[in-house]
Amino acid sequence: EAGVTQSPTHLIKTRGQQATLRCSPISGHTSVYWYQQALGLGLQFLLWYDEGEERNRGNFPPRFSGRQFPNYSSELNVNALELEDSALYLCASSEGTELAKNIQYFGAGTRLSVL
Amino acid sequence: AQKVTQAQTEISVVEKEDVTLDCVYETRDTTYYLFWYKQPPSGELVFLIRRNSFDEQNEISGRYSWNFQKSTSSFNFTITASQVVDSAVYFCALRDSNYQLIWGAGTKLIIKP
Repeated sequence: EAGVTQSPTHLIKTRGQQATLRCSPISGHTSVYWYQQALGLGLQFLLWYDEGEERNRGNFPPRFSGRQFPNYSSELNVNALELEDSALYLCASSEGTELAKNIQYFGAGTRLSVL
Repeated sequence: AQKVTQAQTEISVVEKEDVTLDCVYETRDTTYYLFWYKQPPSGELVFLIRRNSFDEQNEISGRYSWNFQKSTSSFNFTITASQVVDSAVYFCALRDSNYQLIWGAGTKLIIKP
């Protein structure tokens, strides 16, 4: 069974540009989570989607946005890139929102570098 | 406030030594889940274990064991007879009724041959 897949693996952009990151969850999983892992800052929660709806977002500016498609895959968009957006972006998926089903399985991440 | 503290920033041991990674949490919820994840140099977070707040039994899986103690709000992780492949950053996390994972800062474990 395929795990969570993320693309691209690496992404290099310049300041002010837009970046689009993609995530395909494990088959059967309806929830997708996005995290930012900047150097020295640990894991920061970005966004949570379930059944196509945004359920929660972390403390990030509106230029971080995303969506979940009918097949449960997801996109993370970062507009007006800033140097401090350089980080590893991790996507996770889970079976659903019930506490008993909520084990998040992670992809390998997209490393975004903003020059 | 919900919080997870991993006080050990980095631990370095020689292969075959036992090592314990500490995790202390804070929550007001009576129902919650605790997790451990491993992040090897490749970057992918690997799920290791989940424990719910009503199950205080310790867990053993091969060389890994976990000690959950509600009285001290701790969920510690022990690796017995460590191996070089255990080198990674280990994260402890808490999931509460708000459906959000609250992460510790991680402990970098270095196993020297």
